[in-house]
Amino acid sequence: AQSVTQLGSHVSVSEGALVLLRCNYSSSVPPYLFWYVQYPNQGLQLLLKYTTGATLVKGINGFEAEFKKSETSFHLTKPSAHMSDAAEYFCAVSESDSWGKLQFGAGTQVVVTP
Amino acid sequence: EAQVTQNPRYLITVTGKKLTVTCSQNMNHEYMSWYRQDPGLGLRQIYYSMNVEVTDKGDVPEGYKVSRKEKRNFPLILESPSPNQTSLYFCASSSTPNTEAFFGQGTRLTVV
Repeated sequence: AQSVTQLGSHVSVSEGALVLLRCNYSSSVPPYLFWYVQYPNQGLQLLLKYTTGATLVKGINGFEAEFKKSETSFHLTKPSAHMSDAAEYFCAVSESDSWGKLQFGAGTQVVVTP
Repeated sequence: EAQVTQNPRYLITVTGKKLTVTCSQNMNHEYMSWYRQDPGLGLRQIYYSMNVEVTDKGDVPEGYKVSRKEKRNFPLILESPSPNQTSLYFCASSSTPNTEAFFGQGTRLTVV
């Protein structure tokens, strides 16, 4: 069974600073990994995903994440935070041999300060 | 426009009064699911459906029912709501479980 751990429920970054959100997972089979973003009063939308192939994945709004199998990690980064990046971010994992089991982390709330 | 539509967006009800939250998608997706979101717990899957008439339990199915009579619709039914079902609910659909999931806007349910 898979599980997801997001380190830090709240992260505060200055505008223009690096955004780093940590995600570690456990999975008994090759995982599919996702980052979703939730803006206030909205549903979730996909930022990026890793299925197979290149381990560095680029997503929307300047975000990227790197799949590191040896560390079972899928950390999300953005070089320069913008005020519009304030939102809650969720890491999620799905196992390649399972139907229906998308497991989410607890989420990280990002606050961007001027 | 591709979308997942949930109704209602907000609902306050009393303990024991049956309710249904509707979910409809216009993308011809086979896979649909329901989640509840609670502070500090992220999203937890309630039920999912792989196709018409095919549903299965997620991680927190107790107190909920679903049906999938048509491909586009996947209603969530609370036969006898209780206060511990107060939560924010999301419906999602995707072409397969391992591709991008499209989420509805959410339904904030309060059971008093």
